[in-house]
Amino acid sequence: DAGITQSPRHKVTETGTPVTLRCHQTENHRYMYWYRQDPGHGLRLIHYSYGVKDTDKGEVSDGYSVSRSKTEDFLLTLESATSSQTSVYFCAIRISDSLYNSPLHFGNGTRLTVT
Amino acid sequence: RKEVEQDPGPFNVPEGATVAFNCTYSNSASQSFFWYRQDCRKEPKLLMSVYSSGNEDGRFTAQLNRASQYISLLIRDSKLSDSATYLCAVTLNTDKLIFGTGTRLQVFP
Repeated sequence: DAGITQSPRHKVTETGTPVTLRCHQTENHRYMYWYRQDPGHGLRLIHYSYGVKDTDKGEVSDGYSVSRSKTEDFLLTLESATSSQTSVYFCAIRISDSLYNSPLHFGNGTRLTVT
Repeated sequence: RKEVEQDPGPFNVPEGATVAFNCTYSNSASQSFFWYRQDCRKEPKLLMSVYSSGNEDGRFTAQLNRASQYISLLIRDSKLSDSATYLCAVTLNTDKLIFGTGTRLQVFP
């Protein structure tokens, strides 16, 4: 158990509304990631963070923003949700600060449906 | 070309069979490689890292072929409980981990 909690676990929202997903870790790891997973596309990186207030974009960052004001929380915000953002969202952490041979460990996921 | 590619399967094999999956990657500078297992509607879980010299964990063997830019996963003596989707993952620019779309394995009695 890597001590990752995602909330909410499920959410249904309407097009155009803002949505924030939360990832919380209990072990002060430096690196945190947000992925989305869709059939046929697999896991795609949205944004990641390498420290408090330090974030960078992944391959599918359009329409998403992130914030990391403290080590333990990494927030993913959809400013104006669209149906194309219906997906399963996974948060992940890197347990080791070494970038070599350091795998990610995932939270349970958030199922988001935008109607 | 996708950065990481896998055959989606499904691979349908009987219990006790040996099955192998490959995963190709496009960036020759990639340094770290992993195999994950994902059960339906669950999060991916690390199965094993892939080391340059190859490595084994029980019935699972992972290998890396840098010249041809692929990694492989061999499962011996397949069990019903091995039925899952297997994802390969490759580092890109060190701090990003890129995943393949997964290979589905179904083991039948």
